[in-house]
Amino acid sequence: AQSVTQLGSHVSVSEGALVLLRCNYSSSVPPYLFWYVQYPNQGLQLLLKYTSAATLVKGINGFEAEFKKSETSFHLTKPSAHMSDAAEYFCAVSESNTGTASKLTFGTGTRLQVTL
Amino acid sequence: NAGVTQTPKFQVLKTGQSMTLQCAQDMNHEYMSWYRQDPGMGLRLIHYSVGAGITDQGEVPNGYNVSRSTTEDFPLRLLSAAPSQTSVYFCASSSPTAGAPWELFFGEGSRLTVL
Repeated sequence: AQSVTQLGSHVSVSEGALVLLRCNYSSSVPPYLFWYVQYPNQGLQLLLKYTSAATLVKGINGFEAEFKKSETSFHLTKPSAHMSDAAEYFCAVSESNTGTASKLTFGTGTRLQVTL
Repeated sequence: NAGVTQTPKFQVLKTGQSMTLQCAQDMNHEYMSWYRQDPGMGLRLIHYSVGAGITDQGEVPNGYNVSRSTTEDFPLRLLSAAPSQTSVYFCASSSPTAGAPWELFFGEGSRLTVL
């Protein structure tokens, strides 16, 4: 079975500061990993994904994440936060060999607050 | 380009009533799924479908039914609504050949309140 743990349900950073959102996963087979963002009253939008190619993955809006197998982690970072980054962020895992594309397992989410 | 369309966006039900949440996608995706989102619990998979005529249960299927008669539509039925089903429901679709492998494309959600 697969699972995802997001450390910190709320993270607050100043505008211009580093953003670090933590995600650890558990999977019995090589995983596919995703970060999604949800703005208020909207659906989820894909930020970036890891699918066994490069371990450092770049996504939209300046975000990136690094897959570290030894630490079973896929933390999301952005060098400089912007007010528009305030949203809820979800890490998700899918087992690569299942063939069941719709069976993503999501973490509980991290709400990012950006202050002036 | 509509993507994934969910209706209604808001609904209030009384305990015991039934209703159907509609989901339609125009991307010809094979896979469709329903998630519910509750505070502090992330998104949990209710039911999913890998193609027309094929459905399966997810993590929290009790109290919900689905069917998939066409590629485009994947309705979610609440047979006898309970307050525990108050939630925001998201429909999603995906295809191995669209976007990232296993990338889910989400609708905007349906907010359901059961009194």
